[in-house]
Amino acid sequence: GAVVSQHPSRVICKSGTSVKIECRSLDFQATTMFWYRQFPKQSLMLMATSNEGSKATYEQGVEKDKFLINHASLTLSTLTVTSAHPEDSSFYICSVSYGRSTYEQYFGPGTRLTVT
Amino acid sequence: EDQVTQSPEALRLQEGESSSLNCSYTVSGLRGLFWYRQDPGKGPEFLFTLYSAGEEKEKERLKATLTKKESFLHITAPKPEDSATYLCAVQEAGGTSYGKLTFGQGTILTVHP
Repeated sequence: GAVVSQHPSRVICKSGTSVKIECRSLDFQATTMFWYRQFPKQSLMLMATSNEGSKATYEQGVEKDKFLINHASLTLSTLTVTSAHPEDSSFYICSVSYGRSTYEQYFGPGTRLTVT
Repeated sequence: EDQVTQSPEALRLQEGESSSLNCSYTVSGLRGLFWYRQDPGKGPEFLFTLYSAGEEKEKERLKATLTKKESFLHITAPKPEDSATYLCAVQEAGGTSYGKLTFGQGTILTVHP
């Protein structure tokens, strides 16, 4: 499987500020990266899909101007939560996929965001 | 719309007591069904991918099977370290969101020594 890192692992920010979360594929070049959100005791919900060098595709109900995704290279994607509010507090997890003949997604360790 | 339902929501077992977790799914065309393990505060860990009905895969004490409507994750002689949330997800063939995984709510497994 793939090795995926996220930074930071935890972040606390004040309401109205912006927070950037990095997702790195450490051992393979990822054709596609995904961002998920997980609320306590709930399952993962896909927020957006990003391919290197192109705009992200957002799921219905996810505000693209609030959750900015940049996929600058085959090993790095960033999620920026702009003007964060307490309701944005959640566990954000990225995953990577290499396409080709397999469709597995390998997940990062997650980032716990708390907005005060 | 793809739907995934996992049961039971929670399962408590004694060490060595074998059991099965169920994942029922509805998808217009299945590209793959995935099983993940998630420990508290961590990202999901990939376990298995199943692509077609009748397929089976094994890893240590875990065995995953697939039919056209559901998948089972069989746990043989579980140990306390198998305690985790087990997530099932489906990926639709074609579709407008390439590679999208639709997850079930998960089964929380607790194995007592």
